[in-house]
Amino acid sequence: GAVVSQHPSRVICKSGTSVKIECRSLDFQATTMFWYRQFPKQSLMLMATSNEGSKATYEQGVEKDKFLINHASLTLSTLTVTSAHPEDSSFYICSARDSGGGSTDTQYFGPGTRLTVL
Amino acid sequence: SQKIEQNSEALNIQEGKTATLTCNYTNYSPAYLQWYRQDPGRGPVFLLLIRENEKEKRKERLKVTFDTTLKQSLFHITASQPADSATYLCALTKGNYQLIWGAGTKLIIKP
Repeated sequence: GAVVSQHPSRVICKSGTSVKIECRSLDFQATTMFWYRQFPKQSLMLMATSNEGSKATYEQGVEKDKFLINHASLTLSTLTVTSAHPEDSSFYICSARDSGGGSTDTQYFGPGTRLTVL
Repeated sequence: SQKIEQNSEALNIQEGKTATLTCNYTNYSPAYLQWYRQDPGRGPVFLLLIRENEKEKRKERLKVTFDTTLKQSLFHITASQPADSATYLCALTKGNYQLIWGAGTKLIIKP
């Protein structure tokens, strides 16, 4: 149980284009999903918290107009990197909290998306 | 500010021995602490959660301790195997279902 999928797993795009990453909880409902980015040998950095049916909450320093998040259903959240630049190249990982999992904060992660902007 | 420290140096352990990883935190009193495993190029995988009122938690070959006085958690893998080689992350509850993450410790089990 508690499987999260992420698509695509790897994407290469040209500078200035937009890229959409999907995160799905496959066997549970997730009212809350999280988007992280991770640089090599570094800790997970939370970008934003995505709540179903409402606006995402962005962490300090993360541009909401650049990283558009949509959480339209209990099983799907999307992250769109708009006007991507080479410095946006990173490993993007989503996670989901099982809404039926009680009060704990256990997060179930997707396999990640490797974004390379040329 | 809240801070989590994990040993940044890789830990090399001989197969069959017990591997022990440390997670220290400051300026914080979390209700529970979690350990995750992350393989290269993959998302973290949840392993164990331990609450503040629990001293120890076990799952198969894994054992986690939580000392709220020392502000420390220890993660043990007994009878270690090369397949246990990975980076292990500890995470603390920040509130609003968010987690604060350590940078992880890379564990290498040598045959």
